[in-house]
Order: sequence, then structure tokens, then C-alpha cells
Amino acid sequence: DGGITQSPKYLFRKEGQNVTLSCEQNLNHDAMYWYRQDPGQGLRLIYYSQIVNDFQKGDIAEGYSVSREKKESFPLTVTSAQKNPTAFYLCASRLGGQAFFGQGTRLTVV
Amino acid sequence: GQNIDQPTEMTATEGAIVQINCTYQTSGFNGLFWYQQHAGEAPTFLSYNVLDGLEEKGRFSSFLSRSKGYSYLLLKELQMKDSASYLCASLGNRDDKIIFGKGTRLHILP
Repeated sequence: DGGITQSPKYLFRKEGQNVTLSCEQNLNHDAMYWYRQDPGQGLRLIYYSQIVNDFQKGDIAEGYSVSREKKESFPLTVTSAQKNPTAFYLCASRLGGQAFFGQGTRLTVV
Repeated sequence: GQNIDQPTEMTATEGAIVQINCTYQTSGFNGLFWYQQHAGEAPTFLSYNVLDGLEEKGRFSSFLSRSKGYSYLLLKELQMKDSASYLCASLGNRDDKIIFGKGTRLHILP
């Protein structure tokens, strides 16, 4: 069954800890994206990658890091430098005009 | 830069038709996405328009005018389950960025 998978669905962390969110796709899509959504707000682009071993900053990259070592995987690390990390994180993959999202990870930092 | 505008909220009646507008200003434009997002869930793909004109998919249709920087999503025979946010997003033709508007929250009244 083809799709894009984010795990876990809910994640709790203590302030000051780094945390890595997983995003895997088996759609053979080239491009992958990470977004953040705050309550009642739109999606804001954190990082994106067009091909393996390459990625670009989006509009709100500060405090985040990514890697793209495999076509299928695009993990996002939320570092302790991110001032307001609590949010709904969404990963998407795209090939041409087909762009789909994973189920999202709701991160709460306490 | 990129700017995408859509109304914040709309209300319509069950069984009626509603049109959600989106205007965009981007430095390089490839195409336009529409997504549906129910509260607490990830967005689901509705359509992608790259050419001018109307594309119909069942009860949902999407229109694009590249010269006017304008798109709309048309929902017919509204059902209560159509109560959701509708997100408009542009795909850049130089950088592969997908940038979202803030979304339109659609309320359906019985």
C-alpha cells in the first residue's frame, strides 16, 4: 500500500531536548517537504528537498535541521534552539502535480 | 516573494453551492493546489491546476486563471461532512516550493 508515513502521531518532550520526527514515503516521489501548523493558522514551510542529499530552507528554518540520505526518508530534528516547538508537524511528498501529506505528528514540549 | 490570499471563513447551507476564491502573487508560478483539512487532521489532496480553465472532479471543481493570478474551488451539493478548512497553495517553477495560504474555514448549516 503506497503512502507517506509519519511517526509517532503524538510526541511529548521536555524543554531543552532535541527530538527527531520521522517521515517515510514509498511513492517514489522526488520532492519532500516539512511544514508546521499552529492552532487556527496556515501551514508554514520549514525545509524542503528536491533530490537526495540536497535540501533548502523554507520560511521558518531556524531551530530545525533535516537530512535526505535516502529518497524515501526525510527526518526533521527540532532542536533546543527552537523557541516555540509545540505545534502540529506535517510532512509531504510530491511528484509533478501529485502532493500528499502524512498523518502529522503533534509535538508538545513541556 | 510569494503571497496567497483567501477568505478566512465562509458559511453555506447544506445542498447549496459555494465558491472559495484564492489569489496569488508569486515570483515564479508552476501550478496551484487545493486541499481539504478537517479539524485535527492532515490535509487531503483535492486538485492541482497548471493550465487555465475549469477541472471537474465529482462535486468539486477547481478553476485557474494564470493571467489574473486567481483560482477558485467550487463545491456543489454541499454535505455536512464538507465542513472543513480549504487550503490553497502555489508551486514555484524555479524553486519547487509549495507555499500555502492561511486557509478558508467553511461552515455548513443544515
